[in-house]
Order: sequence, then structure tokens, then C-alpha cells
Amino acid sequence: NAGVTQTPKFQVLKTGQSMTLQCAQDMNHEYMSWYRQDPGMGLRLIHYSVGAGITDQGEVPNGYNVSRSTTEDFPLRLLSAAPSQTSVYFCASISLQRGYGYTFGSGTRLTVV
Amino acid sequence: RKEVEQDPGPFNVPEGATVAFNCTYSNSASQSFFWYRQDCRKEPKLLMSVYSSGNEDGRFTAQLNRASQYISLLIRDSKLSDSATYLCVVKVLGNTGKLIFGQGTTLQVKP
Repeated sequence: NAGVTQTPKFQVLKTGQSMTLQCAQDMNHEYMSWYRQDPGMGLRLIHYSVGAGITDQGEVPNGYNVSRSTTEDFPLRLLSAAPSQTSVYFCASISLQRGYGYTFGSGTRLTVV
Repeated sequence: RKEVEQDPGPFNVPEGATVAFNCTYSNSASQSFFWYRQDCRKEPKLLMSVYSSGNEDGRFTAQLNRASQYISLLIRDSKLSDSATYLCVVKVLGNTGKLIFGQGTTLQVKP
């Protein structure tokens, strides 16, 4: 089925470890983004991309890196995990031409201990 | 001040009730408006767009007041299956696709 695929679904990290959250979409969407969701805070934008080779920072970019080498993939890297990065992470994409509604991945639940 | 503000609730209503949620946004350059629904531990899904003239989709009615910078969602004849968190979402002017999410309003429909 077409859509946004996120892996892994669950992850536990130790403080200081690094990891990459994977996101892939097969809808040829130009725009991809990463959000984190914390209780009482809603969804906050971490990084986004409007096309291959183009990325920009969102509201809460510190501690995260992204790259966009292809239209399909938009990985999120945690450089040195901290307990404050314990959250649910969602990847989302949208066609900038059609511009109707994000498609979200099913989320990654990350715990940093 | 948050860019998009919602009353987190929860709103507890009986089946069949009518319930309304409001949302305010601070950026007057906001261009497009949406309501998303999020079930517990799931990803958000688009419920409906909000148009200036107001729009309806079955039991759901969305309204936009640009002058007062608020958006509303009315749910009539509430069903148990309507229990979820409803997210107010705003897109500012420009075509970057970036959306700003409210923290959500939780609805619990009781039998």
C-alpha cells in the first residue's frame, strides 16, 4: 500500500548513543517532515525538506540531523541521545502541488534511559 | 504564546450529544486550516479542511472566522467511535507545506 513507512516502531537507547530513524514514502511527495509529540505539547516540527538536497530547521531542531538524498527517503539522526528526546516521532509527507493533507507514518516510540 | 491554541479538555459527552471545539491562531498570515483526528497511540489523520464559507461533512461542520482568528469544529449526534483527540492545524502563507499543530482537544463519548 502506498504511504509513509517509518522504522523502527519502538526503540530504547542509552544516553549518549546515536541512531537513525528511517522514513520512506512512495507517493513522490516533494515535502517531508519530522515531528515529535510529547504530552501537553502537541506536535512540534523538528526538520523538514521541500525536495531532494534541500532541508531546513523547524521549531525544535537541536540534537537532530537530517538529509534528503532522494525524494523517497528522509532519515532523522539523533547524534547523542538524551532523556529529553524521549518522545513519539512522526514522519509526514505531502504533495506541494496537490497540497491536501499530510500523510503520516505510524510513528516511532523512542525511550532514552 | 502558542501559534495555535486549543482547550485540551477532555470533553466528556453522552452518545447523541452535540459538541463543539474551538481553536485560535496567532499568525494573521495563516492561509489554510484543517482538523485532524488522532486515535490513542496512532498517527494523526486528516478529518477535514476548513473553508472560509464553512463546510460540512456528514455530522461534522467546520467554521473559520478570519477576523477573530478562530476555527471551530462541531460534531452532531456523537458516536462512541468519535472518541479521539482532535487537532487544529494551520498552514501559514507560502508553499513550503509546513503545518503548525495545536496540542489537541480530547473527546470521550460515553454510552
